[in-house]
Amino acid sequence: GAVVSQHPSWVICKSGTSVKIECRSLDFQATTMFWYRQFPKQSLMLMATSNEGSKATYEQGVEKDKFLINHASLTLSTLTVTSAHPEDSSFYICSATPGTVNSPLHFGNGTRLTVT
Amino acid sequence: GENVEQHPSTLSVQEGDSAVIKCTYSDSASNYFPWYKQELGKRPQLIIDIRSNVGEKKDQRIAVTLNKTAKHFSLHITETQPEDSAVYFCSGSGSARQLTFGSGTQLTVLP
Repeated sequence: GAVVSQHPSWVICKSGTSVKIECRSLDFQATTMFWYRQFPKQSLMLMATSNEGSKATYEQGVEKDKFLINHASLTLSTLTVTSAHPEDSSFYICSATPGTVNSPLHFGNGTRLTVT
Repeated sequence: GENVEQHPSTLSVQEGDSAVIKCTYSDSASNYFPWYKQELGKRPQLIIDIRSNVGEKKDQRIAVTLNKTAKHFSLHITETQPEDSAVYFCSGSGSARQLTFGSGTQLTVLP
């Protein structure tokens, strides 16, 4: 149980275009999902916390107008990288939890974004 | 916010030996400390976790210890095997469930 599905697994786009990444909790409801970014050989850095039905909370230094997060339902959160630039190329990973006591976070498979 | 530091950044051990990775955290309110294993290009996989009301937890060859007073926790892998080679991340979180990750340890098990 507790499967998190993330799509696409990889995407290549041109500078200036936008890319949408989906994160779904397949067998549980997640009121909160988290979006992380990981550059090569570095750790996972929290970008934002996605809350169902309300605005996302962004970490310091993350541009909310560039990384649009929508958490429209209890099983789906989307991250849209707008006007992508080569420096946005990274591994983006979402995570979610059922939120019950002692339930761990479960990660999606990640999305490798390459901006040319 | 929480700050998690992890050491060492790289660790090489001979197959069959033990490996120890250490982390410290700053936020005394943190109460959940999971460890993740990440293979190249893949998502982090939870391997073991510990909560602040427990001092030690073991699962076969993997164990984690927690010292709340000193705010540090460690991962111990015994009888290492080549398939244990990966990057390991410690992390910590409080009630908000936001995980703060350590910088990672590249573990290489030499055959």
